[in-house]
Parts: sequence; C-alpha cells; structure tokens
Amino acid sequence: ETGVTQTPRHLVMGMTNKKSLKCEQHLGHNAMYWYKQSAKKPLELMFVYNFKEQTENNSVPSRFSPECPNSSHLFLHLHTLQPEDSALYLCASSQPGTGPYEQYFGPGTRLTVT
Amino acid sequence: QQQVKQSPQSLIVQKGGISIINCAYENTAFDYFPWYQQFPGKGPALLIAIRPDVSEKKEGRFTISFNKSAKQFSLHIMDSQPGDSATYFCAAEGGTSYGKLTFGQGTILTVHP
Repeated sequence: ETGVTQTPRHLVMGMTNKKSLKCEQHLGHNAMYWYKQSAKKPLELMFVYNFKEQTENNSVPSRFSPECPNSSHLFLHLHTLQPEDSALYLCASSQPGTGPYEQYFGPGTRLTVT
Repeated sequence: QQQVKQSPQSLIVQKGGISIINCAYENTAFDYFPWYQQFPGKGPALLIAIRPDVSEKKEGRFTISFNKSAKQFSLHIMDSQPGDSATYFCAAEGGTSYGKLTFGQGTILTVHP
C-alpha cells in the first residue's frame, strides 16, 4: 500500500448507529487531518493531529470523535449522526514544520446517514 | 476573514482552449496558495502552488498568476485536454495557520473533445 488509504470507501448508517472511519498513511508523515466535503461547499477542516496530539478542532459536533493512536493511523468515530452529516470524509497527511507542506489526501469515505 | 472565494463554479472549454479559474482571499497573513485537482472517486491532489514573492509560476500547461495587491490568484490551463476534466480547488494558508488549509468552493471543469 502506498500513500493514504481510507476504509471503508462507502458507508450507510442509521442515525442511532455507531461506526468508525479508518485512515492509514504510508508516507512517514507526522501530521494527519480529517476534512468534510459536502456538495457545492468548500472542503471543511475538522481535526488536525500533529505527532499524535490533537492541535485543531474546528468546532466539530461531539458526535464526531477522532482518535490518533500513532502517526500512521487516524480514526473518526461516529455516533448519533444526522442526515446533514452525509458527505465525503477525507483524510490527509503531511510533514509538519515551520512552513507549508503538501497535504496528501486519501480517496475518502462516502457516508450516507439515513 | 478566512474565506477564499472561487469562481466560476463550473467551466466548459473546448479541447485546446484556455481554462481560467479565479480565487480571491481576504486574510493578508496567507502566504501559500496551492491548487488541488480532484477526479471523481479520488481525493484532491496538489497540482501547483505559489508563494507571494513571485507573480507567476508555470509547470507544464498549468500556470498560477498571483496579484498580491488585489489579493487574487488564478489558475490557467493552456491547451486544455479532456483528461483535465476534474474539479479544481484553490486554497490558502499561512501566518500562524500552517497545516490549516482554507479552500475555495471548487470549479468543475469539463473539456469537450
């Protein structure tokens, strides 16, 4: 496996379900990100982790719970979601430093909340 | 102040034509301006990026033009090809916000053969 992988690629869940999205990066990076991509809206940054520590929570509702057990893996735990949470959830990674670094994106998980 | 405004929302170009996508930003602390290309079923991929110390950067058929005083930047795709059909996002980051990209809304480009 190379780059950034995400599983599952598609997920349908009811509002009362609990599910998790998984992201794995094989690039040796130490920063990982969750983004939400909704139709006709800009990509929204949700969470940032640097060296396994959460450094950004962009006012995300608590029904989204991230977890970063190590620099290569990132999870997004989902519970009691709403239909408006249906979107493409993208994971990205980069190498943090004092300047901008290219973010590498995974293919995303298409989430549908019924 | 964190917004990046992108236009047009969609663009149709004939093969061989020039595609132009524009972005405007408000935060003067931004100092890194990447463009991402996204194909259906894929995540965005970095296409080209510019820092404000230059007014233009060219990589192959892709050129970024940057106007610091107007706080605008644009992507030009020369000799557009059907394989360029994708969604293009401009973005910006900088100051104390490295690692926190602010994206434009995206432009769906269709290049007809």
